Amino acid sequence: AQTVTQSQPEMSVQEAETVTLSCTYDTSESDYYLFWYKQPPSRQMILVIRQEAYKQQNATENRFSVNFQKAAKSFSLKISDSQLGDAAMYFCACKETSGSRLTFGEGTQLTVNP
Amino acid sequence: NAGVMQNPRHLVRRRGQEARLRCSPMKGHSHVYWYRQLPEEGLKFMVYLQKENIIDESGMPKERFSAEFPKEGPSILRIQQVVRGDSAAYFCASSPGQTQHEQFFGPGTRLTVL
Repeated sequence: AQTVTQSQPEMSVQEAETVTLSCTYDTSESDYYLFWYKQPPSRQMILVIRQEAYKQQNATENRFSVNFQKAAKSFSLKISDSQLGDAAMYFCACKETSGSRLTFGEGTQLTVNP
Repeated sequence: NAGVMQNPRHLVRRRGQEARLRCSPMKGHSHVYWYRQLPEEGLKFMVYLQKENIIDESGMPKERFSAEFPKEGPSILRIQQVVRGDSAAYFCASSPGQTQHEQFFGPGTRLTVL
């Protein structure tokens, strides 16, 4: 069984600054995928970034990047040049290649201060 | 290309009534997943279906909950004899196949049980 832990229930950042959201996970499999989803007040789940476990290079998507530490089972999200529109709940998720389900963490509520 | 559609967006039921939640996957997607989000929590997997088949229902409560994905029409999540604890947001996601590991989410149905 896989588990995902987000130890920061809330985080805040000043507009234009950088913030890092933490995530650790556990899985018995060697082949899996990791995701960060954003959930704004509209409740829509929006995929922010994905990382394949077999890739050593950290994924990046514009202002969003990850720090994937496979041995430590850590998968943090860095948001650079934070914008007001980045304010949302952020969920880390894991999917084993052999399975069908996404396992989510409990989320981190990000506030962006102007 | 329309995204994943869910209806209704909001559903209010009294205790003991039935709730039917519908999900139309993205065009070309034949795999559907249902997740439940209780207040202040992350999403929890409920069931994974392909057309006319339930593949994994290990996250479904044993009683009152059922799901189907018929050959024609949307996937249906059915909750019989609802109780207040069923109040939650129910999300549907779809993918083209199990090997395509990204799941695309609908906007969710918020169920309120009075």
